[in-house]
Amino acid sequence: DTGVSQDPRHKITKRGQNVTFRCDPISEHNRLYWYRQTLGQGPEFLTYFQNEAQLEKSRLLSDRFSAERPKGSFSTLEIQRTEQGDSAMYLCASCSSGNSYNEQFFGPGTRLTVL
Amino acid sequence: LAKTTQPISMDSYEGQEVNITCSHNNIATNDYITWYQQFPSQGPRFIIQGYKTKVTNEVASLFIPADRKSSTLSLPRVSLSDTAVYYCLVGDRQNTDKLIFGTGTRLQVFP
Repeated sequence: DTGVSQDPRHKITKRGQNVTFRCDPISEHNRLYWYRQTLGQGPEFLTYFQNEAQLEKSRLLSDRFSAERPKGSFSTLEIQRTEQGDSAMYLCASCSSGNSYNEQFFGPGTRLTVL
Repeated sequence: LAKTTQPISMDSYEGQEVNITCSHNNIATNDYITWYQQFPSQGPRFIIQGYKTKVTNEVASLFIPADRKSSTLSLPRVSLSDTAVYYCLVGDRQNTDKLIFGTGTRLQVFP
């Protein structure tokens, strides 16, 4: 257990539905990252926050994807009008700006299946 | 971030030492080399990070030659529980806004 939690761990939804995932980072970490991982591939960066500011979101896969971190603590990732191609593991990670940004602490992930 | 190249897969037996080599020919002066381990259905876990020569912790050793164009992750006396995917990444640890993962090396340890 890294101290980063994600909820839910698994989500099955029908195509066209909206889904929202939550990430609770390690409390003293001010940076929070979202990644997506498909079978046989390494994690793919989506977006990240420093405190409540979203500093990079150009890698979000489409305008159906959005992320928030309203109070600089937990974060949510929403996918609207899900498609079968959205099926993947969604990973959250956190780290402290006082330490190495290369050392990120990952949560267990949320596995999304779109039927 | 510098691109890395590592073997797709490796096999070993329990008790053996495993060395996984990563090539990063375009590594920049400020880049560090970082390795992550990932078990099925879990997020990646940081293993070790280094800049040059040798770094050792309770899990692994990292060997980096003087030109820094490659690095070797060494796992001593592997066990079945070391079966995982291992990722090599390079980046500036104070100016990295994201980690870029390749496909990693899938290590299978047999009894």
